[in-house]
Amino acid sequence: QKEVEQDPGPLSVPEGAIVSLNCTYSNSAFQYFMWYRQYSRKGPELLMYTYSSGNKEDGRFTAQVDKSSKYISLFIRDSQPSDSATYLCAMRRSYNTDKLIFGTGTRLQVFP
Amino acid sequence: DAGVTQSPTHLIKTRGQHVTLRCSPISGHKSVSWYQQVLGQGPQFIFQYYEKEERGRGNFPDRFSARQFPNYSSELNVNALLLGDSALYLCASSLGQGITEAFFGQGTRLTVV
Repeated sequence: QKEVEQDPGPLSVPEGAIVSLNCTYSNSAFQYFMWYRQYSRKGPELLMYTYSSGNKEDGRFTAQVDKSSKYISLFIRDSQPSDSATYLCAMRRSYNTDKLIFGTGTRLQVFP
Repeated sequence: DAGVTQSPTHLIKTRGQHVTLRCSPISGHKSVSWYQQVLGQGPQFIFQYYEKEERGRGNFPDRFSARQFPNYSSELNVNALLLGDSALYLCASSLGQGITEAFFGQGTRLTVV
C-alpha cells in the first residue's frame, strides 16, 4: 500500500465548475501538507501549504485537512482553462526533514 | 528574484555513461533536495542536503550521489546510466530543515538511450 493515494484522473470539467481534488494517506506521522500544480514538462509550482487540520483559503483555492480521517482536499472555485494541469498532493512527516512524499497526481482538464 | 534554477534543461545520454545535474537554490535558501519524476508518477525523493551535509537519502542505488557547495548550490551525479534512469530530475530549495515550504525548479529532463 502506498503511503499517499491520489486518484490519477483524468478529471474533465467545464469552465466555471468547482473542482475537488483529494488525497488519502496511511501514516499518521504526516504533519505538513502541500498542493502543487504541474504543467506539462514543467516543475511543480506550490499552491497551498498547510499544517494541522482545518481549512486554508487563497483566492480561488481552498485546502482542507482532516487528520482524523487522514484525508486532504483541494477545492478550486470558478475553474478556468488555465487551471488545466496535474495537481500533486505532498506531505512531510516532521519539522526536521524536507523529504516530501507525493501522490501520483491528478490530471485536470477545464474546457471552455 | 530568481527562483530555483537547474541546468541543463534537457540531456540525452547513452547507457553506461555518467551524468551531472546542477541546481542553484533561491537566494537565502540553505536546503536543497533532489527528486526523480518518472512520467505519470509523482516525484520520488532522492537526497536532501542542508548546510552542505546530507540530511536524507531515498531508496535509490549507490549510483546516485550528490553534494552541496559553500554557496548552497548542488550537483546530482548518476553513474552507469540505465534506461530506467530516464526521468525528470527536480531540485527543490527551502530556507531550512522542514520549517518552510519547498520550491521547485523547472527540472532537467534526462533521456537515456
